Amino acid sequence: GAGVSQTPSNKVTEKGKYVELRCDPISGHTALYWYRQSLGQGPEFLIYFQGTGAADDSGLPNDRFFAVRPEGSVSTLKIQRTERGDSAVYLCASSPSGLAGDNEQFFGPGTRLTVL
Amino acid sequence: DAKTTQPPSMDCAEGRAANLPCNHSTISGNEYVYWYRQIHSQGPQYIIHGLKNNETNEMASLIITEDRKSSTLILPHATLRDTAVYYCIVRVRLYGRGNTPLVFGKGTRLSVIA
Repeated sequence: GAGVSQTPSNKVTEKGKYVELRCDPISGHTALYWYRQSLGQGPEFLIYFQGTGAADDSGLPNDRFFAVRPEGSVSTLKIQRTERGDSAVYLCASSPSGLAGDNEQFFGPGTRLTVL
Repeated sequence: DAKTTQPPSMDCAEGRAANLPCNHSTISGNEYVYWYRQIHSQGPQYIIHGLKNNETNEMASLIITEDRKSSTLILPHATLRDTAVYYCIVRVRLYGRGNTPLVFGKGTRLSVIA
């Protein structure tokens, strides 16, 4: 079946602009995660949704970052007033119902964001 | 911060077993050991996970020491397509209370050489 998809695959923007990154999880997966990965580093957790609500947003670096998942499927990561330091690959992952607590996360290919 | 320590890089000859070590000396009783890998320009891919018993699936085997302070991921017959960064992750399991995020370190860059 279809995996996790992310759009766009690449986004180039200018410092100070607003960007939206989209994630389409695997159908039926209730848990959705956003991570970001800087060059040479492992992915860094940003936010986790269980259904429509953000269960853990402790990884968001500041209030310029915001994410929504209004219908419990597609999620959008929104970054306001982008800075050059926001340049990274933004990864989305989804997993089935989280009640077992050990579900595998399925990752998308990522969106490469470049802030000039 | 990541609770694991891995060598930054390793080489392995094609067809040989690749043994990737991981130290997690501060692991707690309700924490599992997970392994993911990331092939260049792709998202991470789940490999295997375990609590205290050794585990095997179609991709790899996971050997966890009796004191659970370290583990080894074994790829029995490495191929060129196994070249990737391998991440060892310690993750708490919250029974009935949902998932927890993955905390990645820098991983081990495995190069499989022909």
